[in-house]
Amino acid sequence: NAGVTQTPKFRILKIGQSMTLQCAQDMNHNYMYWYRQDPGMGLKLIYYSVGAGITDKGEVPNGYNVSRSTTEDFPLRLELAAPSQTSVYFCASSYLTGGAGNTEAFFGQGTRLTVV
Amino acid sequence: KNQVEQSPQSLIILEGKNCTLQCNYTVSPFSNLRWYKQDTGRGPVSLTIMTFSENTKSNGRYTATLDADTKQSSLHITASQLSDSASYICVVSGWAGGGNKLTFGTGTQLKVEL
Repeated sequence: NAGVTQTPKFRILKIGQSMTLQCAQDMNHNYMYWYRQDPGMGLKLIYYSVGAGITDKGEVPNGYNVSRSTTEDFPLRLELAAPSQTSVYFCASSYLTGGAGNTEAFFGQGTRLTVV
Repeated sequence: KNQVEQSPQSLIILEGKNCTLQCNYTVSPFSNLRWYKQDTGRGPVSLTIMTFSENTKSNGRYTATLDADTKQSSLHITASQLSDSASYICVVSGWAGGGNKLTFGTGTQLKVEL
């Protein structure tokens, strides 16, 4: 069972470069999320998706873009990398039906990104 | 603004000792509260989940409590082991118009020593 798979695990970017962080889940979850975690800080929501074709901004969306063309994949795009985007990025997924929803979010292993 | 505050920020205990981690939240409307364990370099993994009507829930040596009136939760670890060394994150879920939003605490960094 793969769960949530993120690639790459590590990446170093130069300022102004672009890249796509990949995230795939094989649990048929409808919700997917992208978080960033800065040292000593909690996870902050960048973008989330409630299903294929639907995405919405989280707390810190500036400098990022997402798409959700399939249920399984939720890539995160950085167009012009900046040092402030140096962080560890986590993708997560969960399955929520109507109402409150009690199922947990499953996380990927993270992508450690450094922008120099 | 939805917030989750955890204390202490870090904690060092001897193997075999017990400890309690605290979580206060202001998330509204409240859906559920989870405690996650995050090992260094890994993604968070759920330990327990509690809804509004649940006061306590155990998972092995981990026992979580919830007081929805005071908006406080605690995670008690019994007979600590070296493998308990990790960051423990309190996550509160609130249902907000078509989306279940998760608000994360900054975590308590626990180190268990011999």
